[in-house]
Amino acid sequence: GQNIDQPTEMTATEGAIVQINCTYQTSGFNGLFWYQQHAGEAPTFLSYNVLDGLEEKGRFSSFLSRSKGYSYLLLKELQMKDSASYLCGAHSSYKLIFGSGTRLLVRP
Amino acid sequence: GAGVSQTPSNKVTEKGKYVELRCDPISGHTALYWYRQSLGQGPEFLIYFQGTGAADDSGLPNDRFFAVRPEGSVSTLKIQRTERGDSAVYLCASSPDLNTEAFFGQGTRLTVV
Repeated sequence: GQNIDQPTEMTATEGAIVQINCTYQTSGFNGLFWYQQHAGEAPTFLSYNVLDGLEEKGRFSSFLSRSKGYSYLLLKELQMKDSASYLCGAHSSYKLIFGSGTRLLVRP
Repeated sequence: GAGVSQTPSNKVTEKGKYVELRCDPISGHTALYWYRQSLGQGPEFLIYFQGTGAADDSGLPNDRFFAVRPEGSVSTLKIQRTERGDSAVYLCASSPDLNTEAFFGQGTRLTVV
């Protein structure tokens, strides 16, 4: 079967760093996506990891370990606008399957 | 258009009726995905097309749901005999090919009363 797990909710303070973890079990794994979704809006792309290791894009970084079925999204210098849901998605046999999402609340 | 367009943005229908939801992908994108999202949940995969053919329809919940993409561009998701449990936001996404990011539309909020 296919399974993607991520925490339901997280809270962090403005200016801090937060790490959102994701574990997955899928067949035909091709890569791991992270999307951001603000309430009532469409998901927007953040990162895509195919190979093991860390990919950095400004304040956001994403890590993948294929052997462990594990990824994380790291958000630095948190801003209030980063309050949103973060979706972990596995590219499995070329279809994109999402977890339930992690709701991040950034407090002043 | 510049992005993925979905129409209508909102649809209210009575239980038992038939509905069609339309998705216009980004021009040139060969892959098209349909998802269903309930409040507080992640997008639930329904079906994806590569060109005109449904490459994987394993997420369609039952035979009341059907989707087409006859010319490899616009896609229509069709729901027969709607039920209150079908109420959700239906999201469409497209991507240039199989191993790149997918771009999402704003979704159609379907309410079955």
